[in-house]
Amino acid sequence: DAGITQSPRHKVTETGTPVTLRCHQTENHRYMYWYRQDPGHGLRLIHYSYGVKDTDKGEVSDGYSVSRSKTEDFLLTLESATSSQTSVYFCAISGSGTAINQPQHFGDGTRLSIL
Amino acid sequence: SQQGEEDPQALSIQEGENATMNCSYKTSINNLQWYRQNSGRGLVHLILIRSNEREKHSGRLRVTLDTSKKSSSLLITASRAADTASYFCATTETSGSRLTFGEGTQLTVNP
Repeated sequence: DAGITQSPRHKVTETGTPVTLRCHQTENHRYMYWYRQDPGHGLRLIHYSYGVKDTDKGEVSDGYSVSRSKTEDFLLTLESATSSQTSVYFCAISGSGTAINQPQHFGDGTRLSIL
Repeated sequence: SQQGEEDPQALSIQEGENATMNCSYKTSINNLQWYRQNSGRGLVHLILIRSNEREKHSGRLRVTLDTSKKSSSLLITASRAADTASYFCATTETSGSRLTFGEGTQLTVNP
């Protein structure tokens, strides 16, 4: 299995609180991604990174921010959590070179509940 | 917006039977990938087929791609109970580098 660790694995919090999810990789891969998975929607891309301090928005980026200060860590922050952000969040990585024809490797997810 | 759509949404078969899942997409692609997800786990990459390829094999998996019909199929031969999982197709469009996932097919293989 690819060396990807997501933390925490489960979190319950209240509306309006800030939440930060962490993705840590040991593969030295260039690309890192945050997805959310919801019933009826499959996986949707929130943000991704193509290098240290280089990030871009995905399909559902509103209400989320990311940071990547070093190759191995990619943080996803919900500045003020809302109930619509209750979901399972997955981090993924892919190798160097062009990302186009690279498979992605996923962590085991963070189950986030916002009450 | 969803690029890939899997069909059927759910499939239940007996061990030893073959399982076929289909994926349709809307735009021109660079490649199409299939992933498996076991309950409570992350997605695992199974196979990648490029737009200039028509068929690819990996063990008991066979993937076909028909770019004229914008469709792909995943065949799992001689299925096992351990194949029980959700299967997702994902495409990379020619205009970008991001993967877009379908909603998946839930496969149940009964012992």
